[in-house]
This record gives sequence, structure tokens and C-alpha cells, in this order.
Amino acid sequence: DTAVSQTPKYLVTQMGNDKSIKCEQNLGHDTMYWYKQDSKKFLKIMFSYNNKELIINETVPNRFSPKSPDKAHLNLHINSLELGDSAVYFCASSRRGINEQFFGPGTRLTVL
Amino acid sequence: GQQLNQSPQSMFIQEGEDVSMNCTSSSIFNTWLWYKQDPGEGPVLLIALYKAGELTSNGRLTAQFGITRKDSFLNISASIPSDVGIYFCAGRNNAGNMLTFGGGTRLMVKP
Repeated sequence: DTAVSQTPKYLVTQMGNDKSIKCEQNLGHDTMYWYKQDSKKFLKIMFSYNNKELIINETVPNRFSPKSPDKAHLNLHINSLELGDSAVYFCASSRRGINEQFFGPGTRLTVL
Repeated sequence: GQQLNQSPQSMFIQEGEDVSMNCTSSSIFNTWLWYKQDPGEGPVLLIALYKAGELTSNGRLTAQFGITRKDSFLNISASIPSDVGIYFCAGRNNAGNMLTFGGGTRLMVKP
């Protein structure tokens, strides 16, 4: 009965590779998000997405792209991985216009 | 851009003590949220505040939406070891669904 799930939990990869992280929510929410948490635990919004609107944090490199096959899924694709991309990535969801966001368990990405 | 300053950055307290932490913003927010993050997990919503001056409790936790709309406070009474974790404030203004998070308060409780 997991509300927001992410796979994989851990991802270790080489610099320059392309990778994806998957996110699924079974809460019936229509807005999903991706956050990046760095080693100092700062949480930063990367994207907000519903079926009509993608809002991108302007500081996110265009190597990062969200892809949503349907309302319950928002995957994160990362091209040409760099060392600085190492972080924990969290997916979250909410009802549109509602501020309360529910987070997934996170994916720890390590770029070597 | 907007910033949320959360303090203290960390606290080490004795079990049974009360805890206070706060968050201040350089701009006005319409919503304040408080989350707790356990090691290896995602943040879990504790309390949501929607009106200036609002005071809301969730068990031993009480949070307040500051009158100026630029700050919020979280109090934990009679702390227990399972209160250990990182507490985050988050705020939202009128500019869309984006939340801005504070830097977190790391709480450690000594049994």
C-alpha cells in the first residue's frame, strides 16, 4: 500500500552515462514533483508537473528531463551524468492546487 | 530567489525536554508546512498551516503560522528518542505549486 514509490533505491554509475529513475504514486494525485537533496540535506525543487503544465526550476541543467507516461508516473531522465549530480532524488505528489506534498523514499545516485 | 532560514541547524537534547525551532523568510508565504525526515527515508508531512496566526497541534507537536506571514515555529513537547531526525519547514507563496524548503534542523535526543 505504498503511496509514492521510487526505483531504484540506489544507483551507482559512471560519469557520462545516461540513467533514469522511476516514480509511481497510487494516491490519485495529479501533480508530481522531483527534488534533489544534496550532501548537506538541502532540498531543492527541480520540477513540478501535471498533465497540463511543466514548471522547471531554472537552475536545473537541461540534461535533466521529466517524462510522464500517465498521471500516476513521473520518471526522471538524466543525460551525460556528472560528479555533481550525486545526491538523493525524491519524487513527491499532491493534488493540484493543494500544498501538502507526499514524498517517496528517495533514490541515492552516486556518480563515479 | 526566496530563501528560508531555519534555526537552529542542530539540537542535542535530553529525553523529556521540550524543543523549539523556527523558520524565517525574506518574503511572504501563504502556506507553511513542517516535515520530518528519518535517515534513509523521504520527508513525512507533520503539520500544514494556511492562515496567519494559525496554531495547529499534532500530538506532542505544535506549529504556528507567524502573524507577519514571514515566519513559522515548531514546538515538540516531552521529546522521546523516536523524535530523532531532521525537521524541515517549507513555504509556498502565490507563484505556483513550488515549495521552498528550509535547511533543516537536525534533532538528536539522548535517552
